[in-house]
Amino acid sequence: AQSVTQLDSQVPVFEEAPVELRCNYSSSVSVYLFWYVQYPNQGLQLLLKYLSGSTLVKGINGFEAEFNKSQTSFHLRKPSVHISDTAEYFCAVRLSGGSYIPTFGRGTSLIVHP
Amino acid sequence: DAGITQSPRYKITETGRQVTLMCHQTWSHSYMFWYRQDLGHGLRLIYYSAAADITDKGEVPDGYVVSRSKTENFPLTLESATRSQTSVYFCASSWDSEAFFGQGTRLTVV
Repeated sequence: AQSVTQLDSQVPVFEEAPVELRCNYSSSVSVYLFWYVQYPNQGLQLLLKYLSGSTLVKGINGFEAEFNKSQTSFHLRKPSVHISDTAEYFCAVRLSGGSYIPTFGRGTSLIVHP
Repeated sequence: DAGITQSPRYKITETGRQVTLMCHQTWSHSYMFWYRQDLGHGLRLIYYSAAADITDKGEVPDGYVVSRSKTENFPLTLESATRSQTSVYFCASSWDSEAFFGQGTRLTVV
């Protein structure tokens, strides 16, 4: 079975600074990888996804992530954050074939300070 | 409106009562899921369904029942609510790659 580890439960950062949210996964077979964002009192929205091809994936709101198969990582980055990026971020993995069930990490709370 | 809708958004119920959370999707996605979100635990899968009339347990199924008589609906029932089931519940659907989430139901069991 696959699993996801988000190494930081909380990441504080100042506005306009760069940020990296870390995600490592475990799976013995090929996977799809996702990052979701959750704003207060809302559901999860897809930020970006890696299915195949280029390992650098660009998403909405200026976020990007890089798939690193050798390190089994899928870290999320943004070069300059805004106050409005304050939210909970979830990394998720699912098998590329067969089951459609996504497994989620515990989430990272990004707190952007002015 | 197209999408995935959960109802109610907020619910307070008493210990021992039965409560049903509703989930409706307009896309005809084959897969549907129920997750619960608790601080420190992220999202944990309760039940999922691969198609109408096909359901299976997830990570934390105890105390919950699901059904899926129609592709678009996937209700979650707490047969006898307990305080440990106080949580935010999310329904999601998927057909190809990513999952699409509803707005959630905040359930409080008193």
